Amino acid sequence: ETGVTQTPRHLVMGMTNKKSLKCEQHLGHNAMYWYKQSAKKPLELMFVYNFKEQTENNSVPSRFSPECPNSSHLFLHLHTLQPEDSALYLCASSHGAEETQYFGPGTRLLVL
Amino acid sequence: GDSVTQMEGPVTLSEEAFLTINCTYTATGYPSLFWYVQYPGEGLQLLLKATKADDKGSNKGFEATYRKETTSFHLEKGSVQVSDSAVYFCALSDLTGGGNKLTFGTGTQLKVEL
Repeated sequence: ETGVTQTPRHLVMGMTNKKSLKCEQHLGHNAMYWYKQSAKKPLELMFVYNFKEQTENNSVPSRFSPECPNSSHLFLHLHTLQPEDSALYLCASSHGAEETQYFGPGTRLLVL
Repeated sequence: GDSVTQMEGPVTLSEEAFLTINCTYTATGYPSLFWYVQYPGEGLQLLLKATKADDKGSNKGFEATYRKETTSFHLEKGSVQVSDSAVYFCALSDLTGGGNKLTFGTGTQLKVEL
């Protein structure tokens, strides 16, 4: 248990659906991250939020829309996804500029 | 840009064997280095880290030494157990340009058999 929780753990959605992934951290951290983990590829950083402000968007398609209402919660809103978006989506948090990031268990997403 | 290169897996070992997983990196600044482990069906867990040259990170019997001269951070364990079976990720964090970004390797799967 790292103090970072993600829901749901598994999600199956059609290409026309709209769904949201949720991440919550109980560590008092200020920065939160979304990563995508696809088979045979390195983890890809998607978004970074620091004190609720987005500081990084790693050229992510607009069908992925992040939201950070406060320092403890991070959402990833999904709409009109493609099958190639199927992956494990990992959330992480850190204490501001401190290097160590703590990861949640991930949401396994399958797009049909 | 920054990059991390890990040895390809899977690595299959017998219990109590010695483990080495190679990791080399390329970075423009002075990165911190990490090993994360991912057990089946779970997210990444921080295993160990080193923040400057010649530092040794250690945890749960695993060790890695930050070698600036060879730009390496190889993971070692003297005697592996079946419970060590997982995917291991080497990563670096370079704060030179501001922000906090981790660059990961592709991961090395370790299988430990009885």
